[in-house]
Amino acid sequence: EDQVTQSPEALRLQEGESSSLNCSYTVSGLRGLFWYRQDPGKGPEFLFTLYSAGEEKEKERLKATLTKKESFLHITAPKPEDSATYLCASRSGSARQLTFGSGTQLTVLP
Amino acid sequence: DAGVTQSPTHLIKTRGQQVTLRCSPKSGHDTVSWYQQALGQGPQFIFQYYEEEERQRGNFPDRFSGHQFPNYSSELNVNALLLGDSALYLCASSLDSVTYEQYFGPGTRLTVT
Repeated sequence: EDQVTQSPEALRLQEGESSSLNCSYTVSGLRGLFWYRQDPGKGPEFLFTLYSAGEEKEKERLKATLTKKESFLHITAPKPEDSATYLCASRSGSARQLTFGSGTQLTVLP
Repeated sequence: DAGVTQSPTHLIKTRGQQVTLRCSPKSGHDTVSWYQQALGQGPQFIFQYYEEEERQRGNFPDRFSGHQFPNYSSELNVNALLLGDSALYLCASSLDSVTYEQYFGPGTRLTVT
């Protein structure tokens, strides 16, 4: 059974203070590692898909990286509008569904 | 280009009642998945529909059922509601033959009293 664990559960940063969020996964035959952003009371917003170890993707202040056991979401010089819950999800083998972690709640203080 | 839409936005039901939630996928998408998200948790997979058939199901009881229509829109039905069914219900659409990136709607907040 696929397992996805995210850490930390919550993270408070000062504006401009860079940091990383961790996503550890245990899956059989990874077919994709996905990052989403979710604002309170809204649906998850798609950010990135990573398929193989060593792959990196960037979007504005966010960069996602992938190893054989973990994925990191690096946030460079965050702004208050980056405050949200960041969700990591995996897809494995012949599975059709995504398996989500519990998320990291990020708060960026001005 | 319209994204995934869901209705209603909020719903309050009494224990034992039945509820139907609706979803229209993103334009060009043919696959719809439903997820349940409890407060403070990540979404949990309920089931997926493709070509009007339930293709895969998560660990949810038979009280949860669904349907997909020829225009790819979908419904989620929950019978005999329990207090524990209170959650945000999310619909996600994807194009089956491509990268499997799922795009989520805004969700329906269901409260069972």
